[in-house]
Amino acid sequence: DTEVTQTPKHLVMGMTNKKSLKCEQHMGHRAMYWYKQKAKKPPELMFVYSYEKLSINESVPSRFSPECPNSSLLNLHLHALQPEDSALYLCASSRDRGVNTEAFFGQGTRLTVV
Amino acid sequence: AQTVTQSQPEMSVQEAETVTLSCTYDTSESDYYLFWYKQPPSRQMILVIRQEAYKQQNATENRFSVNFQKAAKSFSLKISDSQLGDAAMYFCAYRSIGGNNNDMRFGAGTRLTVKP
Repeated sequence: DTEVTQTPKHLVMGMTNKKSLKCEQHMGHRAMYWYKQKAKKPPELMFVYSYEKLSINESVPSRFSPECPNSSLLNLHLHALQPEDSALYLCASSRDRGVNTEAFFGQGTRLTVV
Repeated sequence: AQTVTQSQPEMSVQEAETVTLSCTYDTSESDYYLFWYKQPPSRQMILVIRQEAYKQQNATENRFSVNFQKAAKSFSLKISDSQLGDAAMYFCAYRSIGGNNNDMRFGAGTRLTVKP
């Protein structure tokens, strides 16, 4: 099983809503990542969890709140988002944060903020 | 900080022919990893090939090979015998060896179209 599963695939939310994006992997990976990808742009790193601890927060606004409840799950809680936060949100995982370990990506959640 | 540059926003190739996608990067480090990822319309990022900077031999994976020129900081991807399924967005990525900031940084991408 080399899958990273993200749900939902599409999400439309209002600026006052609270929603969560979910990511799951069962490869025993201990590093998990959230990326944000705007249209026709490369993915931009948002957060990195290593052994369930947040190790990198790339100056992301507090309206994005990550959570890693266990080694298989990664959530991204969304609150009071802005229309410019509309993007594809990609989750990835790797065996650890070693550089020669391949990162496996999910198919992403297409988020639209209205 | 390291930067990755892909100067070709779009490329086109005829089916069965060969195409080369360019990537250059800027770094002061001597050891690092380079990757090419493919993102088809399904949106999932798929690893195509990786290169370790300390290895002089160019990496090869079936129809995909790289031309790694460390001194020139160049890392191009060659796709031979192009297939319709190769059509996708291709991202070049850099990853540092050590330190706390060794996560992947991507270039802007090249959209590859394959013509039948």
